[in-house]
Amino acid sequence: SAVISQKPSRDICQRGTSLTIQCQVDSQVTMMFWYRQQPGQSLTLIATANQGSEATYESGFVIDKFPISRPNLTFSTLTVSNMSPEDSSIYLCSVAGTGGKGNTEAFFGQGTRLTVV
Amino acid sequence: GQQVMQIPQYQHVQEGEDFTTYCNSSTTLSNIQWYKQRPGGHPVFLIQLVKSGEVKKQKRLTFQFGEAKKNSSLHITATQTTDVGTYFCAGSITNAGKSTFGDGTTLTVKP
Repeated sequence: SAVISQKPSRDICQRGTSLTIQCQVDSQVTMMFWYRQQPGQSLTLIATANQGSEATYESGFVIDKFPISRPNLTFSTLTVSNMSPEDSSIYLCSVAGTGGKGNTEAFFGQGTRLTVV
Repeated sequence: GQQVMQIPQYQHVQEGEDFTTYCNSSTTLSNIQWYKQRPGGHPVFLIQLVKSGEVKKQKRLTFQFGEAKKNSSLHITATQTTDVGTYFCAGSITNAGKSTFGDGTTLTVKP
């Protein structure tokens, strides 16, 4: 299994500012993803973080708002730019790896609880 | 786009009763995963189902994948207070690890 360290664990930010969230994995992984979970809601995929190339964004999410870096196979960052109260959410880093029987397993970081005031 | 529906949204049971949550996809899936999220926690991977008609068990939890690979269920026998949380299904149409999550079923258990 993969151990994911995500930070910060929580933050309170002023509207109009930006926050960068870091995700560190203890092993090299091919697939890294960023999700958002709004209060009481399910998880929505923001983008797939691709190593060495631009991230692949899902419908409704754009690079200018959520720039992502993936400099190597163990690390990624997500920036929430020009924040508004609507961005208040939990942001989760996830990686996909091969489990003991060859099936794909997904592992999540602890999440970053963001409050924009 | 792909949609994954999950019912019920909430389920309140007495300890010892059984619990089932159902997941339906608008498209045929390559695989489906199930997660549990405790209040204040992050999703924890429970299992992945890949084969049509597959049934897997983990102690009191039974997971099923439909024959058409478009629906799935999670059944908990004799619930315990430690089972409380939100259970999510997540479906993938490829094996690339990218999934679409259902809305989740939040289980509360009265002791």
